[in-house]
Amino acid sequence: KQEVTQIPAALSVPEGENLVLNCSFTDSAIYNLQWFRQDPGKGLTSLLLIQSSQREQTSGRLNASLDKSSGRSTLYIAASQPGDSATYLCAVRPDETSYDKVIFGPGTSLSVIP
Amino acid sequence: ETGVTQTPRHLVMGMTNKKSLKCEQHLGHNAMYWYKQSAKKPLELMFVYNFKEQTENNSVPSRFSPECPNSSHLFLHLHTLQPEDSALYLCASSQGLAGGNEQFFGPGTRLTVL
Repeated sequence: KQEVTQIPAALSVPEGENLVLNCSFTDSAIYNLQWFRQDPGKGLTSLLLIQSSQREQTSGRLNASLDKSSGRSTLYIAASQPGDSATYLCAVRPDETSYDKVIFGPGTSLSVIP
Repeated sequence: ETGVTQTPRHLVMGMTNKKSLKCEQHLGHNAMYWYKQSAKKPLELMFVYNFKEQTENNSVPSRFSPECPNSSHLFLHLHTLQPEDSALYLCASSQGLAGGNEQFFGPGTRLTVL
């Protein structure tokens, strides 16, 4: 059974720091992995989607990497800003058709201090 | 309106009330989803519709009743709920169910059952 964990559960950093959020999954047979951002009391915003054949994806100050063999993905945020404060979730899809088997991690709550 | 919208944003109801949550997507997508997000728990998929047809019901209690009159609208009818049903209910849509399709989420409805 696939399990997705995210460490740390919460993170507080001063503005301007580079930081890394971690996502681990127990079954390396995945189709893709997606990173989301969730602001308090709001829905999820998709940040980056990495297919299993890819090693990383970049969007602006965000870079997500994927190492299937070790069951890990990282989300790197460069030059953090207070506006980056949110909860970051990763989600793993096991195969192309198992839309109902997407497993979400519990999230990392990020606070960027001005 | 663009993206995925949900109304109401906040709802407080008694256990004997009947209410409905509404979701509308303006993305031309064919698949729509209901998720439940409880405090300190990962997202749980509740229902999936593809081209207005329900394709998944993840053992959701019958006090939750979905309705999808067309590909752009999704409802969640609520009746005789329990306090433990209090949560953030998120709607999402995607172009299709296949794995390469990203999900786009609405802002959610914060439900409190008294």
